[in-house]
Amino acid sequence: RKEVEQDPGPFNVPEGATVAFNCTYSNSASQSFFWYRQDCRKEPKLLMSVYSSGNEDGRFTAQLNRASQYISLLIRDSKLSDSATYLCVVNKFSGNTPLVFGKGTRLSVIA
Amino acid sequence: DTGVSQDPRHKITKRGQNVTFRCDPISEHNRLYWYRQTLGQGPEFLTYFQNEAQLEKSRLLSDRFSAERPKGSFSTLEIQRTEQGDSAMYLCASSLADGVQPQHFGDGTRLSIL
Repeated sequence: RKEVEQDPGPFNVPEGATVAFNCTYSNSASQSFFWYRQDCRKEPKLLMSVYSSGNEDGRFTAQLNRASQYISLLIRDSKLSDSATYLCVVNKFSGNTPLVFGKGTRLSVIA
Repeated sequence: DTGVSQDPRHKITKRGQNVTFRCDPISEHNRLYWYRQTLGQGPEFLTYFQNEAQLEKSRLLSDRFSAERPKGSFSTLEIQRTEQGDSAMYLCASSLADGVQPQHFGDGTRLSIL
């Protein structure tokens, strides 16, 4: 089983749509969870950290289910500028240890 | 610009040559990480440092790879006798060591082996 699994997509959605990405991780020792965004041929950029209580940042909502080892990202009112690859990321162990990335889910928002 | 800086941005070289990349982390960050990313994959961990100490090396880091962070500030990643399979984006990230701090990435060095 891969350490972090994501549906690679692509997800092609119209502007204004709501889209959800899911991710599962295999290492129950992971303590930190993130969503990173990566534009084509650019570096990954932190989108948001994911907390057990769930968290929201504008149009973006992240959820964590530790029992199921499952992470989600919801994007509401999609914009053209949301088109990118979204990487689900967990750390290997507790503390600030190396990150383990999923392959990413590609999103295209269409006018 | 106070972000993570990598140099060069692109490197094209012939198979068998040695290459060296440099990373300058965010100045107050004591942890520095190297990752490699190939097309269609997420970044894969190579090695990381806390200050000048190299704390972990991935099994991806063969004997041809070496990384240093001699003064606990910038780091270099050297690949000796490059192979076609080394073609990838090499990403550097830095963070604080305390608690749970997100890692911030540089623009990467794209290596192409001819």
